[in-house]
Amino acid sequence: SQQGEEDPQALSIQEGENATMNCSYKTSINNLQWYRQNSGRGLVHLILIRSNEREKHSGRLRVTLDTSKKSSSLLITASRAADTASYFCATEGGTYKYIFGTGTRLKVLA
Amino acid sequence: DAGVIQSPRHEVTEMGQEVTLRCKPISGHNSLFWYRQTMMRGLELLIYFNNNVPIDDSGMPEDRFSAKMPNASFSTLKIQPSEPRDSAVYFCASTLYRDRGEKLFFGSGTQLSVL
Repeated sequence: SQQGEEDPQALSIQEGENATMNCSYKTSINNLQWYRQNSGRGLVHLILIRSNEREKHSGRLRVTLDTSKKSSSLLITASRAADTASYFCATEGGTYKYIFGTGTRLKVLA
Repeated sequence: DAGVIQSPRHEVTEMGQEVTLRCKPISGHNSLFWYRQTMMRGLELLIYFNNNVPIDDSGMPEDRFSAKMPNASFSTLKIQPSEPRDSAVYFCASTLYRDRGEKLFFGSGTQLSVL
């Protein structure tokens, strides 16, 4: 069964704007990760946040984690057309098992 | 580093035929995962291995699916007999799993079409 659910399912913004995607999950986790998938390609890891962390930054990416609400958000600042892709959260609960959410399709208009 | 290598890149076959998908994980990684991606069901975890041992195959949809990892550098996912509903993109991923999870490295996937 799916562990993570992303919302929104699709997001369309103008270049330069910020994009925020949310992920909710159901059970306890060791870490939560965000991945990006360009059309027709494999998934690429973006950022990992551990269960004892609340916020993490990497370049234009900012991830937050609220374990009490079982939710995470991914913020992409100053978006570019090249950020157009699908974004997935994945949770890992300590049993080698990585479960992916349903994904958010982001379209950045130039 | 060549990354995770999957073959073939595309596979078109007829219903009832056997299909074998192949994966070479990144050297030194100890965990390997097979996922299936469809529009309807998203990314489904089929099976995963740690140190070449299958840990959980509860995601394998039916007995028609089987996976093996005979050594640390090779894994196969076999579908026999194949059915049209098996059409999907199949991804292999690997990681070096220590006491806690690390990031997954994905292959480019195999696009399977069963006619």
